[in-house]
Amino acid sequence: GQQVMQIPQYQHVQEGEDFTTYCNSSTTLSNIQWYKQRPGGHPVFLIQLVKSGEVKKQKRLTFQFGEAKKNSSLHITATQTTDVGTYFCAVNYGGATNKLIFGTGTLLAVQP
Amino acid sequence: DAGITQSPRHKVTETGTPVTLRCHQTENHRYMYWYRQDPGHGLRLIHYSYGVKDTDKGEVSDGYSVSRSKTEDFLLTLESATSSQTSVYFCAISEEKQETQYFGPGTRLLVL
Repeated sequence: GQQVMQIPQYQHVQEGEDFTTYCNSSTTLSNIQWYKQRPGGHPVFLIQLVKSGEVKKQKRLTFQFGEAKKNSSLHITATQTTDVGTYFCAVNYGGATNKLIFGTGTLLAVQP
Repeated sequence: DAGITQSPRHKVTETGTPVTLRCHQTENHRYMYWYRQDPGHGLRLIHYSYGVKDTDKGEVSDGYSVSRSKTEDFLLTLESATSSQTSVYFCAISEEKQETQYFGPGTRLLVL
């Protein structure tokens, strides 16, 4: 079946270091979304990528969609303690499906 | 945050009892979803609805049923709760299929 792999599962960084999480699919995607969930909170939408090779930035966050539309990455420059949480990718395979398939998430811990 | 509430926010119940969780939205969004979140599994779709009385199964629908008699309400019922259904349950809404999902605050369910 369709699989969404997200790596790493966990990352611990010192404040100020960079962080990257990757989302990989075995099947070409229609689009991909990224969500952030703070500890004890609910997932919150960050961004959606649609086009092959698309790059979007939100302040210190950079989101990239692969050329083949099978993978994506989220990069945080100079992490801050407010970046702590779990980052999920969520993929759409297109067609008639109404469903997002969520990756297992990457838990980011930031040490001050 | 989008106008989504879930009730109850916490529940402890015994194996074999029926449990109903409620999701209420004030956004008039067409699509509503129920997910469960467990460590190591991310968010998994239980059921979703694409309109009043229109529902479909997700990837982990066994042991769950849903109903949507009004646009604003989506109910999730555990017909006979089991310990494996101990989880955090999130409701989400979206305006159209494959678009951004907005999540409710979640319900923590413990089945003893």
